[in-house]
Amino acid sequence: GQNIDQPTEMTATEGAIVQINCTYQTSGFNGLFWYQQHAGEAPTFLSYNVLDGLEEKGRFSSFLSRSKGYSYLLLKELQMKDSASYLCAVPNQAGTALIFGKGTTLSVSS
Amino acid sequence: ETGVTQSPTHLIKTRGQQVTLRCSSQSGHNTVSWYQQALGQGPQFIFQYYREEENGRGNFPPRFSGLQFPNYSSELNVNALELDDSALYLCASSLGGSGTSTNEQFFGPGTRLTVL
Repeated sequence: GQNIDQPTEMTATEGAIVQINCTYQTSGFNGLFWYQQHAGEAPTFLSYNVLDGLEEKGRFSSFLSRSKGYSYLLLKELQMKDSASYLCAVPNQAGTALIFGKGTTLSVSS
Repeated sequence: ETGVTQSPTHLIKTRGQQVTLRCSSQSGHNTVSWYQQALGQGPQFIFQYYREEENGRGNFPPRFSGLQFPNYSSELNVNALELDDSALYLCASSLGGSGTSTNEQFFGPGTRLTVL
C-alpha cells in the first residue's frame, strides 16, 4: 500500500524560512509532487522530484531522498500570501492517480 | 489556453438525492481525474477517465459513477447521497492515459457539495 505523512500545521513569520517534511511508503516509486492549496481553491503544482537531491525554483525548493522515503519543501523569504495548505503526493501503483497526504497548513504572520 | 472549469461552484442537496457535477478539461488534455476532498484532508482519488473509458478507480462505492464525453469533458454522478459525501469535489485534467499520473495534473476550482 501507500502511506504519506506530513505535519498538520506549521507557523512562521514573514521573511523567515520554513521546511515542510513529508515521509512516504510506497510499493514502487515514480516521483513525488508538492502542491499548494489556498483555502477554498484548487491545488496548484509546485514541484515534481523523481531523482534524489534538491531542486530549486525561485523561493521554493524541494528535496527528495528515495532511500529514506523522505522529501521536504523549503520556502524562503516567507510572505503572507504563502499561508496555505501544502500537499505532498505520490502516484499510485497503477499510475492513474495521485495519493495525497493530509496536507500541512502553514500560517505566516507579520 | 482555457484552464479546467467545474460547475456548479456550490451545491446543497439532501440525503438520498442524486447529484451531477461537471468538468471541462484544459485544452489539449484527454484525461480527467476526480477527487473528493473532505475538510482538513488531502484529496482522495475517486476515478480517472481516459478516452471515454474508466481508467482506474479508488476506494469509492458504485454509487459514485462517471462519464467522459468525446470532447473530454466529464461528469461525476453520485446517487443516494449521504451526509459524509459533503466535500469539495475536484476535477484534474492531464495529457495521456494509464501511467500518466507522473504528468502534471491541472486542477479545477472544485464544486463544494453540502448534503443536509
